[in-house]
Amino acid sequence: GDSVTQMEGPVTLSEEAFLTINCTYTATGYPSLFWYVQYPGEGLQLLLKATKADDKGSNKGFEATYRKETTSFHLEKGSVQVSDSAVYFCALSEVGNEKLTFGTGTRLTIIP
Amino acid sequence: DTGVSQDPRHKITKRGQNVTFRCDPISEHNRLYWYRQTLGQGPEFLTYFQNEAQLEKSRLLSDRFSAERPKGSFSTLEIQRTEQGDSAMYLCASSKRGAAGELFFGEGSRLTVL
Repeated sequence: GDSVTQMEGPVTLSEEAFLTINCTYTATGYPSLFWYVQYPGEGLQLLLKATKADDKGSNKGFEATYRKETTSFHLEKGSVQVSDSAVYFCALSEVGNEKLTFGTGTRLTIIP
Repeated sequence: DTGVSQDPRHKITKRGQNVTFRCDPISEHNRLYWYRQTLGQGPEFLTYFQNEAQLEKSRLLSDRFSAERPKGSFSTLEIQRTEQGDSAMYLCASSKRGAAGELFFGEGSRLTVL
């Protein structure tokens, strides 16, 4: 079945550091890929998405590129801020399937 | 602008009791989802509705679990004869038609079974 594997956390970085959170997936078809974020005390929010190979999703300075050849969707940000501290979840959904399959999440802490 | 709201936010119950959670989705969203999240894990899909029709159920949803969305608006998730393994965060989400995967989540209902 479908699965998502995320870089294990927690990850701690200094402000303005470069961020990469790795995500790889296994799927039978050509899924859509997502990054969701959960800030402290809040519900999960969609951060960005990509629906086909080589698409790049971007939002709030974060980017991720859909790489079919490596089945990856790594999340990157050039300069993180304290306000980026949150738990980040990679997820996929197969075409025609409403179900999202999530990774286990990566907790990110940014230190001033 | 009201988002997805869930009630209660926290529920502590004794093993064997029944519990019910309510979810009010964003009003113009016709799709509603239930997920379960345990500590250190990502959300796991339980079931989803399109309007009042329950279109898919996960194998995680045992016979003790039942979900309804009687008028295509709010939804309830009932767990009968709770077990300690049911302790988790129950998440509700909603989405618009044509926006597959773009879910708006509530803050969740945390269940603790003693």
